[in-house]
Amino acid sequence: EADIYQTPRYLVIGTGKKITLECSQTMGHDKMYWYQQDPGMELHLIHYSYGVNSTEKGDLSSESTVSRIRTEHFPLTLESARPSHTSQYLCASSAAAKNYGYTFGSGTRLTVV
Amino acid sequence: DAKTTQPPSMDCAEGRAANLPCNHSTISGNEYVYWYRQIHSQGPQYIIHGLKNNETNEMASLIITEDRKSSTLILPHATLRDTAVYYCIVRPNSGNTPLVFGKGTRLSVIA
Repeated sequence: EADIYQTPRYLVIGTGKKITLECSQTMGHDKMYWYQQDPGMELHLIHYSYGVNSTEKGDLSSESTVSRIRTEHFPLTLESARPSHTSQYLCASSAAAKNYGYTFGSGTRLTVV
Repeated sequence: DAKTTQPPSMDCAEGRAANLPCNHSTISGNEYVYWYRQIHSQGPQYIIHGLKNNETNEMASLIITEDRKSSTLILPHATLRDTAVYYCIVRPNSGNTPLVFGKGTRLSVIA
């Protein structure tokens, strides 16, 4: 059973809408990450956090924003969705003391029409 | 700049060993070699990692050359469920360096 949860699993939304992709983990992991992946393409790191009130931008420039108010929760928000945001968004977490073991969620497949 | 080089695709017969190569000629002394795989569009799954010694776990073996410039992931008896994209990643094991995924190798296990 997955210990990191992403909702929704699939989302189709109109251009200009504000959306929040949810990611929660029950493992007490300090570190959390958001990756973006187009079909058949590489994963790109867009945001990460090393703890509460800590957020950093990743290698791929993204118009999304994140917050980390609670250890277990790392939501990603798009203020105004565009068709170029259509992609799969994968959330992951890892424990500080176990630097290699990333646990990934099932992903959110976003389509902006 | 890519830190690792992997073949884009490989085939392997079911039941045979799958040997996936990775070149990392610019690896630093404090960098580990990690392997993950991604089945279809699921989230990547950790397989194994190592520094300089060969490593083995229930999923795979990792062979790192003595000069650490290349490594091979070995799946001893590949099954159809091992069909996936395999990523070789080099990064320090300490500190706050997130995993950066490259293009990986698409392994197809054929019945």
